[in-house]
Amino acid sequence: QVQLQQSGPGLVKPAQTLSLTCTVSGGSVDSGYDYWSWVRLPPGKGLEWIGYIYYNGNTYYDPSLKSRLAISLDMSKNQFSLRLTSMTAADTAVYYCARFRFLDPDAFDIWGQGTMVTVSS
Amino acid sequence: DIQMTQSPSSLSASVGDRVTITCRASQAIASHLNWYRQKPGRAPTLLMYSTSTLARGVPPRFSGSGSGTDFTLTINSLQPEDFATYYCQQSHRTPLTFGGGTKVDVK
Repeated sequence: QVQLQQSGPGLVKPAQTLSLTCTVSGGSVDSGYDYWSWVRLPPGKGLEWIGYIYYNGNTYYDPSLKSRLAISLDMSKNQFSLRLTSMTAADTAVYYCARFRFLDPDAFDIWGQGTMVTVSS
Repeated sequence: DIQMTQSPSSLSASVGDRVTITCRASQAIASHLNWYRQKPGRAPTLLMYSTSTLARGVPPRFSGSGSGTDFTLTINSLQPEDFATYYCQQSHRTPLTFGGGTKVDVK
């Protein structure tokens, strides 16, 4: 079955850039049924959708993050990545990669293990 | 953006209890409403999609209902593994949005 494995640093300094990668196994990022997604959980708050990317490279971002955000695909490595610039303490959260399967179930049906990212000097 | 409001934000219950969580959307979303359960320190898991369809492997003590703007998740006969936080999420349009969560803890 499809599994998602995240990698990336857990500590980022203020004003620096966060880079996280999600490796897909048991499936392919060039599936036309799936949007490859990032979701975060800030401490004491609820889940927040960050954005997703389709196999053709089309991206959809949360408007509040759009100016700082880039999500990309690497089909040769079967990976997708998140890049969030100008990090602040407000970006401290557990970051999850997830598969959003279009139509059936039209939901986030597979999740990575999560990466706790702390923004601190 | 479509705002999702869950209530209550927390509740206390016992094993065997029936629990109901509600989710309200700021505008009509047809049946494009999903529910997730998140246990502490774990990733969320999909419970229910399209309002009332159980995700694979989810036991039938979970049920969902609603349409338009008002939705409900019901857990019949709460089990120990159900003490967790529950989130609703709309997939009607981007930006995709989640409710603030409902934490179910032990009474």
